[in-house]
Amino acid sequence: EDQVTQSPEALRLQEGESSSLNCSYTVSGLRGLFWYRQDPGKGPEFLFTLYSAGEEKEKERLKATLTKKESFLHITAPKPEDSATYLCAVHWAGSYQLTFGKGTKLSVIP
Amino acid sequence: DGGITQSPKYLFRKEGQNVTLSCEQNLNHDAMYWYRQDPGQGLRLIYYSQIVNDFQKGDIAEGYSVSREKKESFPLTVTSAQKNPTAFYLCASSIDPSGHTLGYTFGSGTRLTVV
Repeated sequence: EDQVTQSPEALRLQEGESSSLNCSYTVSGLRGLFWYRQDPGKGPEFLFTLYSAGEEKEKERLKATLTKKESFLHITAPKPEDSATYLCAVHWAGSYQLTFGKGTKLSVIP
Repeated sequence: DGGITQSPKYLFRKEGQNVTLSCEQNLNHDAMYWYRQDPGQGLRLIYYSQIVNDFQKGDIAEGYSVSREKKESFPLTVTSAQKNPTAFYLCASSIDPSGHTLGYTFGSGTRLTVV
């Protein structure tokens, strides 16, 4: 069973069409949840860290939220340059590594 | 500018050959990691090191080896024992061994292909 599950696997949006990406996790003792953006052929780029339920972070058109069992990455009025794969990762008590989901590939069509 | 440098960007390996992927960071980070990324499988941890001269196996260490002789460097060797090495390899580092504070900083990756 995957400890971190991202949905949907792929998402196509029209430019300006807002939507949300989901990251659910089953680990106990969450110490941090991380969102990354990855462009094709490149390494992931850090976006946000969330530490506790109820926390929210914003950056330009992106807003990340966290509940006790999932996180959402909301994309408001996306532009074609937002097209990328978005990765979610969690760190929990007793672990010295991040566990990654498989990612959501976002395509924003002009 | 501080960051992580991976080289080469593309690497081709013949059957039965060992190859080494370079990873260098100038962020003064203690911990370093190697991940393998395959389509549809996400990032899988190969090895990690929390301190110089010490490293631990990750989830898929078989067929790989590493060294950590300097804080700045964490090279990965893909040995001939790795039967399916074609993948995108990512090196990462974190400011503290738990990765808790700010997560990871990633390099730009090395794409390894078996020919």
